[in-house]
Amino acid sequence: AQKVTQAQTEISVVEKEDVTLDCVYETRDTTYYLFWYKQPPSGELVFLIRRNSFDEQNEISGRYSWNFQKSTSSFNFTITASQVVDSAVYFCALTTNSGNTPLVFGKGTRLSVIA
Amino acid sequence: EAQVTQNPRYLITVTGKKLTVTCSQNMNHEYMSWYRQDPGLGLRQIYYSMNVEVTDKGDVPEGYKVSRKEKRNFPLILESPSPNQTSLYFCASSLSVTGVPYEQYFGPGTRLTVT
Repeated sequence: AQKVTQAQTEISVVEKEDVTLDCVYETRDTTYYLFWYKQPPSGELVFLIRRNSFDEQNEISGRYSWNFQKSTSSFNFTITASQVVDSAVYFCALTTNSGNTPLVFGKGTRLSVIA
Repeated sequence: EAQVTQNPRYLITVTGKKLTVTCSQNMNHEYMSWYRQDPGLGLRQIYYSMNVEVTDKGDVPEGYKVSRKEKRNFPLILESPSPNQTSLYFCASSLSVTGVPYEQYFGPGTRLTVT
């Protein structure tokens, strides 16, 4: 069975600080896919990134970066120079290539960026 | 505009009164899914569909039904709603090419209250 753990329930930072959101996953499949989604206060779910298990390169997109480490089963998300607009709940999710594609979500980390 | 639509967005109903939440996508996606989001529990999958006439249970299917008669539509049916089905519901769709899961696009959510 797949499992995603986001141990940080809530994080609060001051604007311009860097912040890292942790994600630890469990799966027995060798082929799997990891995602991050953002849920701002308006409630919609916004896709941020998809990473497959064969691609361990870190990814950077503007102020966002992701660190994928298979050795520790982690897929952490860092926001550099945080802004108030980054305040949201962030979900890490996992799915595998085993015939169906249900997403297993972590419980989310609520990030509050204070001006 | 590529999108997933859900209706209604808000619904207050009474115990036992059958209701349907519609979901439609215009991206020709094979895969569609329903999730519920509850505080502290994150998102949990209710049902999913790999293609027309193919549906299967997710993690929390009790009390729900779905159908997939057309590729674009995936309605969620609550035959006899109960208060523990009060939740925020999301419909999602994605490409699924030979079982490889791509990012899921989410609808805006339906907030259901059962009294």
